[in-house]
Amino acid sequence: DQQVKQNSPSLSVQEGRISILNCDYTNSMFDYFLWYKKYPAEGPTFLISISSIKDKNEDGRFTVFLNKSAKHLSLHIVPSQPGDSAVYFCAASIPGGFKTIFGAGTRLFVKA
Amino acid sequence: KAGVTQTPRYLIKTRGQQVTLSCSPISGHRSVSWYQQTPGQGLQFLFEYFSETQRNKGNFPGRFSGRQFSNSRSEMNVSTLELGDSALYLCASSLASGSLNEQFFGPGTRLTVL
Repeated sequence: DQQVKQNSPSLSVQEGRISILNCDYTNSMFDYFLWYKKYPAEGPTFLISISSIKDKNEDGRFTVFLNKSAKHLSLHIVPSQPGDSAVYFCAASIPGGFKTIFGAGTRLFVKA
Repeated sequence: KAGVTQTPRYLIKTRGQQVTLSCSPISGHRSVSWYQQTPGQGLQFLFEYFSETQRNKGNFPGRFSGRQFSNSRSEMNVSTLELGDSALYLCASSLASGSLNEQFFGPGTRLTVL
């Protein structure tokens, strides 16, 4: 039962353009969402998060949008850079929860 | 400040054997979580330890177990290994328990079961 789904295994984008990574969830109790980035041979690193009381959170080139009614969130990277090429994991947690549920990840390729 | 370290980085075992993986959290972090990463499945939560107590457990068979020591270091054990246990095992530490605390991941242990 995958409560957090990233339906696109991979995405290829030209340098300078926008990258949009999507994530859907099924559990309406989730109230905190995170994105992690993972390079090969390294562990995931935290990128950006959003609480369910917001619909947008921005940090530099990275913006996360949350649509609670659609149970959907997306990560926008503008402009995309070759160094952004990595696997991106969407994750969610419930109030007071002690575990974070991760999606399967989307591999982003940014072409120079 | 040193990051999360995991040992060994690579491991090859055969079916039926058992394995122990080790994780040293960032100094001062008291929570350690373990995840299994396989292609197409993302990160599957195994368990979380805080102050030597297991706080939560994922949907894995009893062959997967863990513990945490008083210095917050954690070990994960898998007994009677199966081919499907081949995966990258990631450990993450955070200051406190609870999913709102940012997790810092180690580089993982790549386990191959032959």
